[in-house]
Amino acid sequence: AQTVTQSQPEMSVQEAETVTLSCTYDTSESDYYLFWYKQPPSRQMILVIRQEAYKQQNATENRFSVNFQKAAKSFSLKISDSQLGDAAMYFCAYTTGTASKLTFGTGTRLQVTL
Amino acid sequence: NAGVMQNPRHLVRRRGQEARLRCSPMKGHSHVYWYRQLPEEGLKFMVYLQKENIIDESGMPKERFSAEFPKEGPSILRIQQVVRGDSAAYFCASSPPQGRSTEAFFGQGTRLTVV
Repeated sequence: AQTVTQSQPEMSVQEAETVTLSCTYDTSESDYYLFWYKQPPSRQMILVIRQEAYKQQNATENRFSVNFQKAAKSFSLKISDSQLGDAAMYFCAYTTGTASKLTFGTGTRLQVTL
Repeated sequence: NAGVMQNPRHLVRRRGQEARLRCSPMKGHSHVYWYRQLPEEGLKFMVYLQKENIIDESGMPKERFSAEFPKEGPSILRIQQVVRGDSAAYFCASSPPQGRSTEAFFGQGTRLTVV
């Protein structure tokens, strides 16, 4: 069974600084997809960034980028120039062929301080 | 284009009552997924439905829980004889009919509280 592990229950970053959230996963599949979702207090699940395993290039979305290490099964999220609005729970997720049957990690709560 | 709509946002039920949670997918989406989020945990997959078909219910508890996605109308997640342990946030996600790596669009969830 696929598993997703987020080893940092909580992280804190100062405004305008950079923070990296860790995620590792376990799978025997060669073709799969990885996601980072943000969940603010409103509970809405917001897709932050997506990575296809067959792509070697790391995905980037504005201030958000990933470090995808396929051999190490690692998928970390880097947030640059952190803003107060980035404070939320961040979930790493994985799926294979069934696009939206996602396996989630337990989440990392990110605090952004002034 | 309205997003995934879930209602109610909050639902309070006494132990032993039934809970019905509704999900209207985004326009043009024919795949619906239900997830459950217990307090301080990540989302756990429950069931995957297409119109009038259950495709994968591997995450559904064997008893008291059922789901449907009729030809017309929203998808319904039904919990019979609720217990305190059913208290959680229930999320619905939808995706288009085909395509790999399709983004899952989530609703805002229904928070069920069993008292």
